[in-house]
Amino acid sequence: GQQLNQSPQSMFIQEGEDVSMNCTSSSIFNTWLWYKQDPGEGPVLLIALYKAGELTSNGRLTAQFGITRKDSFLNISASIPSDVGIYFCAGPLMEYGNKLVFGAGTILRVKS
Amino acid sequence: KAGVTQTPRYLIKTRGQQVTLSCSPISGHRSVSWYQQTPGQGLQFLFEYFSETQRNKGNFPGRFSGRQFSNSRSEMNVSTLELGDSALYLCASSWGQKETQYFGPGTRLLVL
Repeated sequence: GQQLNQSPQSMFIQEGEDVSMNCTSSSIFNTWLWYKQDPGEGPVLLIALYKAGELTSNGRLTAQFGITRKDSFLNISASIPSDVGIYFCAGPLMEYGNKLVFGAGTILRVKS
Repeated sequence: KAGVTQTPRYLIKTRGQQVTLSCSPISGHRSVSWYQQTPGQGLQFLFEYFSETQRNKGNFPGRFSGRQFSNSRSEMNVSTLELGDSALYLCASSWGQKETQYFGPGTRLLVL
């Protein structure tokens, strides 16, 4: 089953709106990763978080590593049509030998 | 620096056949991981190779195997293909085992 619970499952928003998605887990993570996947392509790393409480930005994207180390969120400000895609959170799970586990993804659609 | 490359990009096989997929990591990266992505199961970890040795393995049957060469290039093989093996197979590389992973574009396999 999914070790990472990602929500929402999908979003259909107006261009220019801000977007927020999050990931939670019952397990502790030492690293949180956020990827974006375009149709027919592999996931592309957006932001990597390595410390509890860390807040990191990459252009219009901002992500935070939760204090409890069991959650993370990703915000996209002023969305544009090219933000369309599937966003995944991921992290290495210690009890699984640090293999990377992924959330189910958030499908983002933007109305222009 | 060139990214992760995967060949072929698309493949059609029939049940019972076998298939070999190839992955060339980013130059200097020594760790290669393989993932299977399907609409129903999401991204699932197959195995990880580091310095030509399998370091971690996911919950897939023995029909799925892989190897890594001295130049860090990796191949995965699926024998006796089943319809359910149709998926996007993604390869990701990192400098070390615990470093952030970067994905290739994937090989889309269709089993008829």
